[in-house]
Formats: sequence, structure tokens, C-alpha cells
Amino acid sequence: SQQGEEDPQALSIQEGENATMNCSYKTSINNLQWYRQNSGRGLVHLILIRSNEREKHSGRLRVTLDTSKKSSSLLITASRAADTASYFCATDGNMEYGNKLVFGAGTILRVKS
Amino acid sequence: DSGVTQTPKHLITATGQRVTLRCSPRSGDLSVYWYQQSLDQGLQFLIQYYNGEERAKGNILERFSAQQFPDLHSELNLSSLELGDSALYFCASSVALTRPLAGANVLTFGAGSRLTVL
Repeated sequence: SQQGEEDPQALSIQEGENATMNCSYKTSINNLQWYRQNSGRGLVHLILIRSNEREKHSGRLRVTLDTSKKSSSLLITASRAADTASYFCATDGNMEYGNKLVFGAGTILRVKS
Repeated sequence: DSGVTQTPKHLITATGQRVTLRCSPRSGDLSVYWYQQSLDQGLQFLIQYYNGEERAKGNILERFSAQQFPDLHSELNLSSLELGDSALYFCASSVALTRPLAGANVLTFGAGSRLTVL
């Protein structure tokens, strides 16, 4: 089973609104990452938050991490139509070189203009 | 262009056949990962290679095999294909950092190879 599970599965908002996506995971992690995928394309890394961090910002993105609840959230502020994509959280285990990232099922975000 | 090159982009074949997917990692990246993305299974980790050696294995079927060559490109071989193997196959690469920074690998994905088995 997948390590990360995103919520909601799909989200539809108007341009200019904020979008919040949540991710829950099951085991301890070194870090958690968020990726974006435009339809049928490759995934693109957005942001990484380490297990000892609680919040991180990058442009219009804000990520929080609560290791006690094993959850993370991704907030996209002032959304644009171009933000329409699928968003995935990914977690890794504590392996020296074999750092496989396990991806959640993703949240499909649609931003209407 | 992410710097990770995958070929072919599209492939249509019949059940029982064998195909090879090719991946060239981003320059300087030593690690290559293969993922399968399908509608019902999501993004599944298959296998990882680091500098020519297998480092981690996921839900890879016995009909599938992979290798990483000395020039660091990788190939994923899929044999005895079934309808359910139809999916997008992604290759990703990263610089596998040594300790104490291990665990902070950011993956750069290729555009994927779309396999359709008829």
C-alpha cells in the first residue's frame, strides 16, 4: 500500500482562491516532498520539508509538516489557471542509498478562470 | 526539458511481446528510478539503481527487469506483456547524496513512456 495518501482526491476552485491539499503517511520519514504533474507529463518537484521542520515557504507555496500526526499540507495561495494539475506528496525511508520515494494517490486540482 | 530523456515516448504492442524502455539520467545524476503509473494503481515504485548497482526494489514483477549501464543510462525490460501492463512508465534521476545528507533526494522525472498493450 502507498505510504502517502492525499486528501481531497479532487479539488475545484476559482482563480484567486487558495487551495489546500493534505497528505497523511504511515511510518517515520526523513523528509516529505510535494510534486506536481500536468496531465500525462512527468512529475516536477515543488518543495521538500525535512522531518525536523514544521513549515516551509516557496513563492506561493506553503508546506506544513506535523510528524506527531504523520501529516502534511500544501497550500497554494492566489491560485491561477496554470496551477491546474495533480499534486502528489512523497515520503522516503531511512536508507543509505536506496531512497525510494513512495508517492500518494494525488490530489487533482482544477482552477477555473 | 528536465534533462532526463526517455524513449520511446509512445509504444503500442501486443500481449505476450517484450519491450525495452530506455532512460538517460540528468547529467551528473548517479541514481535512476523507475516508476509505473496507471489509473488504478497510481504511481508505483519499481526499482532503483545507483552507479550501476541495484539499490532498492519495489513492486516490480518477475516479468520485468532493469539494469543501469556504465554510462549510467538505464533500461527497463518488460516481457510476456499483459493488458494490465498498459501504463505510463517514468524514469527519474537524482544525485544520491552520501551521509549525512542521505534521505534528501529530489527526483527529476522524464516525460515518460506510454505503453499500450493490445
